[in-house]
Amino acid sequence: KNEVEQSPQNLTAQEGEFITINCSYSVGISALHWLQQHPGGGIVSLFMLSSGKKKHGRLIATINIQEKHSSLHITASHPRDSAVYICAVMGGTYKYIFGTGTRLKVLA
Amino acid sequence: GAGVSQSPRYKVAKRGQDVALRCDPISGHVSLFWYQQALGQGPEFLTYFQNEAQLDKSGLPSDRFFAERPEGSVSTLKIQRTQQEDSAVYLCASSLGTGDTQYFGPGTRLTVL
Repeated sequence: KNEVEQSPQNLTAQEGEFITINCSYSVGISALHWLQQHPGGGIVSLFMLSSGKKKHGRLIATINIQEKHSSLHITASHPRDSAVYICAVMGGTYKYIFGTGTRLKVLA
Repeated sequence: GAGVSQSPRYKVAKRGQDVALRCDPISGHVSLFWYQQALGQGPEFLTYFQNEAQLDKSGLPSDRFFAERPEGSVSTLKIQRTQQEDSAVYLCASSLGTGDTQYFGPGTRLTVL
């Protein structure tokens, strides 16, 4: 069993839909990151969370430390949101453990 | 530049060749990381530097993989006698300090034929 699991693995949505991507982890963590990876490989950090909730534009990330679960929400989705979204946990002081990613496609 | 850069962006090697992948971290970033990302998978940790010291190389898959950061800035990941299973995207990331947000480069896509 992977230490970081994401669901769904693939997601297709219509433009404007509300999207939720889930991340569950089984290790103790100091922080959790949500990352976005576009075709071509570049990775962008969206959020770093250790508790509660963060919002940036149309993106919202939440974390429940007790349940070892985090969600990434995208409101009013747009085709430019199409990417792979990766959950990564920092188990110690520096080492990321990555989920396998959720491939999101938003159709116009 | 302002971000992490990597070169080359794409590399095709014949099985058995040696390759060298370069990473230029953000200026002033103490920590540097290398990751390997197989197709359809999340990245996996390879090695970690703090300045010029390689503090963790537990993720290097074999002794054919070698990384260095001799002056505490630019880093090179070298793969000797490449094999087909080495085909992957190699990502470099840097952070200001240990535990800080890591900033990723665009990656080098290595294809071994």
